[in-house]
Amino acid sequence: DQQVKQNSPSLSVQEGRISILNCDYTNSMFDYFLWYKKYPAEGPTFLISISSIKDKNEDGRFTVFLNKSAKHLSLHIVPSQPGDSAVYFCAALRGGSNYKLTFGKGTLLTVNP
Amino acid sequence: DTGVSQDPRHKITKRGQNVTFRCDPISEHNRLYWYRQTLGQGPEFLTYFQNEAQLEKSRLLSDRFSAERPKGSFSTLEIQRTEQGDSAMYLCASSLDLVGTEAFFGQGTRLTVV
Repeated sequence: DQQVKQNSPSLSVQEGRISILNCDYTNSMFDYFLWYKKYPAEGPTFLISISSIKDKNEDGRFTVFLNKSAKHLSLHIVPSQPGDSAVYFCAALRGGSNYKLTFGKGTLLTVNP
Repeated sequence: DTGVSQDPRHKITKRGQNVTFRCDPISEHNRLYWYRQTLGQGPEFLTYFQNEAQLEKSRLLSDRFSAERPKGSFSTLEIQRTEQGDSAMYLCASSLDLVGTEAFFGQGTRLTVV
């Protein structure tokens, strides 16, 4: 049972435009969410996170939005750059078990020059 | 380099052989994790150490798998009698013991069982 779902396996955008990556979760016990970026042959790299007490967190070109009632979060990248091309994983932590990340399957983002 | 280090980066082994992987976490991190990633999937949690204590093991970790973290520093993951289904990327991560802190991942060990 996939508790964290990334329903878009891939996304292609033009350089300079906005990239929006989506993530849905089913477990209402999740209270902290993270986005990781992964290049081929490398481990995942932390990008940005958000606590369930917030609905938005921003860091430079990256903004994560959380809609708890819909159990949905999204990552916005503005403006998108070719170097952003990678697999993006949504991950969640459950309250009381703040060490075990549950990952989605990832979305491959391709930013075209 | 002060990141999480894993060795080897790649391992090809014959079915039935034993393999051992090593992970050196970021030095001040007292939490260490092992994850496994197969093609088309996100990383899946295998086990977690708080210092030298192994506090949780996933059901994915069969009896053929054993992990240790002696003295709360580096960790090893051993797979005995490897099977083709064990072929995957094995990722190690570490973090501080703080709520909401992110885990830092190593580059992984790619295991291929032939």
